[in-house]
Order: sequence, then structure tokens, then C-alpha cells
Amino acid sequence: DTGVSQDPRHKITKRGQNVTFRCDPISEHNRLYWYRQTLGQGPEFLTYFQNEAQLEKSRLLSDRFSAERPKGSFSTLEIQRTEQGDSAMYLCASSLEELQETQYFGPGTRLLVL
Amino acid sequence: AQSVTQLDSQVPVFEEAPVELRCNYSSSVSVYLFWYVQYPNQGLQLLLKYLSGSTLVKGINGFEAEFNKSQTSFHLRKPSVHISDTAEYFCAVKYSGGGADGLTFGKGTHLIIQP
Repeated sequence: DTGVSQDPRHKITKRGQNVTFRCDPISEHNRLYWYRQTLGQGPEFLTYFQNEAQLEKSRLLSDRFSAERPKGSFSTLEIQRTEQGDSAMYLCASSLEELQETQYFGPGTRLLVL
Repeated sequence: AQSVTQLDSQVPVFEEAPVELRCNYSSSVSVYLFWYVQYPNQGLQLLLKYLSGSTLVKGINGFEAEFNKSQTSFHLRKPSVHISDTAEYFCAVKYSGGGADGLTFGKGTHLIIQP
């Protein structure tokens, strides 16, 4: 069990650029979640996958945000036309369906938009 | 909508003293409750969880929490803290009625251990 991994760990970009983050869940976990955490706040739920199906995406912050999990394994979160307000920590978590209440978090990707 | 309130943004405690971090949630239905810890520049680590059964839940690192349905609270306690407990602690809730959804987190409590 290597845990949830995320790449990159840090990303600095200029306003207006697109960014993409990757999350690799724990290998046998079929559920994958994305959260955003801003300074001084708790994580905020964004979206969720069961295998390759995106079952909840109404919480995505705007239509600039999109996520995929094409083969039911790793997932990507893309932010188009980044804004300074997108600066935050983006966290990924995974869980095993039978134990769906326990989510295991990755180290996060810290995004800074200049 | 669910919400979680962590009343204390910071709690300073002397080493080896007991500590309680407070958490209240707003929901009239059954919920699952969690405490996570976040060390600097790291992801969240699960400390403990309440799904059902005994209202006193024991977790890792000597922490425990008590679920109180009438007061809609899930306070975290440790009888004797250590310097290594310095971290951010988050309480979270999830609706237990089924379906898929993420966790709703409080704003966190920064536990500061003073030597």
C-alpha cells in the first residue's frame, strides 16, 4: 500500500493559463474524491468518481473546472483560464466501496496563480 | 445542508496537559463523524471515526472522541499531549443515508503544544 499520490506537489502559473493535476489512488480503491483547501479553511468537496463514472460534479466551482478518471484508476483535475482566486491546495482522496466512509488523502497539490 | 462548527481556531496547551477540541454539526439525520489531523505541508490523516455503535470512539495516537446525538457534538480529547501533537485538526461529517458524497469539514483547530 503506497498511499494516495498526487503530482505535482507544487504548481506556479500565470493568470489565464490552464493547469492539470494528477491523482493516483490506492490501487484497490474504486472511489476517488477531489477537494480544495484554501488558507485557514477546511477542505471543500468538489467532485467524486466511482470507477470511471463521475457521480457528483455539481460542487465543481465553475465550468472552468473539470475532472476525469478515464480508466477508473488515476484521475486528473483541470482548471482552465486560471484566476488568482484559484490559488489553493487541491487534495485527492480515495476509498474502498465496502468501507466507503473512510477516505484516505494524498499530500495535495499547492497551486499559486500569479 | 450539513455544516460543521469548530469553535476554537487555536488551542494552546502545555505539554502533558489534557486537551479537548470541540466540534458541533448541524443535521437532524444520521451522520458519520470523523476527525482528521493535518501536519504542515502534508495531507490529512484519519484519527478516528464514528459510524455506529459505542458513542466513545478510540483512535490513533491516544486520541478519543465522544458522539453526543442530543447535543450534536463530537469532541476530540487526549489525556496528555505531546509536542508531536502540534498540528491542524479537522472535524468532518457525512450523511449516512446512502448515496455518494464528499465529507463536509469544519474550519479546523490549530493545536499548539507549549513546552
